Amino acid sequence: SAVISQKPSRDICQRGTSLTIQCQVDSQVTMMFWYRQQPGQSLTLIATANQGSEATYESGFVIDKFPISRPNLTFSTLTVSNMSPEDSSIYLCSVEGGVTTEAFFGQGTRLTVV
Amino acid sequence: DAKTTQPPSMDCAEGRAANLPCNHSTISGNEYVYWYRQIHSQGPQYIIHGLKNNETNEMASLIITEDRKSSTLILPHATLRDTAVYYCIVRVGYNNNDMRFGAGTRLTVKP
Repeated sequence: SAVISQKPSRDICQRGTSLTIQCQVDSQVTMMFWYRQQPGQSLTLIATANQGSEATYESGFVIDKFPISRPNLTFSTLTVSNMSPEDSSIYLCSVEGGVTTEAFFGQGTRLTVV
Repeated sequence: DAKTTQPPSMDCAEGRAANLPCNHSTISGNEYVYWYRQIHSQGPQYIIHGLKNNETNEMASLIITEDRKSSTLILPHATLRDTAVYYCIVRVGYNNNDMRFGAGTRLTVKP
């Protein structure tokens, strides 16, 4: 199994500012995933982050709004830029478990934009 | 878009078996059926997965129909702590960005 630490666990931010969310894994993983969960909704995949290459974004998500870094095999960051109240969501980091194929999730970052 | 259909909600009495259905009529031959659950305010938790054979682990059993177009997750003795949203996902598996969540089933276990 993989243990994932996300920071911060929650934050309240002013509109127009940016927040960077960190995801640290206790083992090396090839792919890391970032999800958004809007209030009362299911999870939506934002992007896939591979080490050494640009992140791959899903339809409806763009790099200027959600820049992602993946400097090594155990760490990634997601930035939510120029925030508006509509960005208020839980943001989750996920990794593949390895040969057992199940994915593991962090506890999420609860973001409120005021 | 999610490739599965689940009932939006279900209730179950504590101590009884909870049977959660999932339809995945367009599943491909190389796609697995995965089940996750999300307890309020936590990240999703892996439960079980299978390709075509029935599977059992310490948490649950997974029954997949012979044509693989539907499956059922069985929690044999539901407890209050099993109250959660349960997601059925079909995906190829490891190292693929193909994990797509549908709306899931909100299971409420009642005393």
